[in-house]
Amino acid sequence: GENVEQHPSTLSVQEGDSAVIKCTYSDSASNYFPWYKQELGKRPQLIIDIRSNVGEKKDQRIAVTLNKTAKHFSLHITETQPEDSAVYFCAAKVNTGNQFYFGTGTSLTVIP
Amino acid sequence: GAVVSQHPSRVICKSGTSVKIECRSLDFQATTMFWYRQFPKQSLMLMATSNEGSKATYEQGVEKDKFLINHASLTLSTLTVTSAHPEDSSFYICSARGAGTDTQYFGPGTRLTVL
Repeated sequence: GENVEQHPSTLSVQEGDSAVIKCTYSDSASNYFPWYKQELGKRPQLIIDIRSNVGEKKDQRIAVTLNKTAKHFSLHITETQPEDSAVYFCAAKVNTGNQFYFGTGTSLTVIP
Repeated sequence: GAVVSQHPSRVICKSGTSVKIECRSLDFQATTMFWYRQFPKQSLMLMATSNEGSKATYEQGVEKDKFLINHASLTLSTLTVTSAHPEDSSFYICSARGAGTDTQYFGPGTRLTVL
C-alpha cells in the first residue's frame, strides 16, 4: 500500500519567515494530495490540496508544490504568523481507493 | 466548506460499558465516512471506512466486533465502542466525503476516557 513520510516532525520559525514541510509518497497511482492543519484539541482543517495533473497551487500565503517524478510534495507558508502555529498533516490518496494515507505530522511553532 | 458534526465531544465511562459516537454531515450527503483514532502528538490512524448502506471495511488490526460502525443514512454514521477498556481511551475523529469528490471533512472529534 501507499506509504507517506513527512519531515520535519517539528519546526520553529520566527514570525515573518517562511516555513516548508515536505512529504514523500511511494505509490505512483496516488493522484490527490491534501494538507490539513490541526490546532490542539481541534479537528483537522483542509488548508490546501493539489491533484497530480498540477505542479503548483497557491492560496494567499500558502502554496503546495508537487513533483510526480520524484514522488514528493511540499507545503510552503510565507510571512508566517503566530496563528499559523499548529500541527500540519500531509496525505495522499490512491486514485483507485477511498482512504487517505497520512504523514506523521509536523508541529510548527511561529515565534513572535 | 462542508460541515461535519460529532457527538458527544467528550465522554467518560466505566470499564465494561459501551459508548456510541455519532458523526453527521450537516449540509451535504456523505456517501463515505471514515473513522480515525488519534493518540496524543500522533497522526490519524484510520480504523474503518463505511459506505452508506453497506458494511464497514476495517483496517488491519481493528476489531470489528469491538468497534461497531453503522452508516445507515447519507448523513449519519455511528461508532460504538463495546465493552470499553482503559486502553480504548483516545481521541476519535470521523470524516465524511460526498459523492464525486476526494475531499474529506473532519468532525470535531470525541475525547473518550474509560475509567
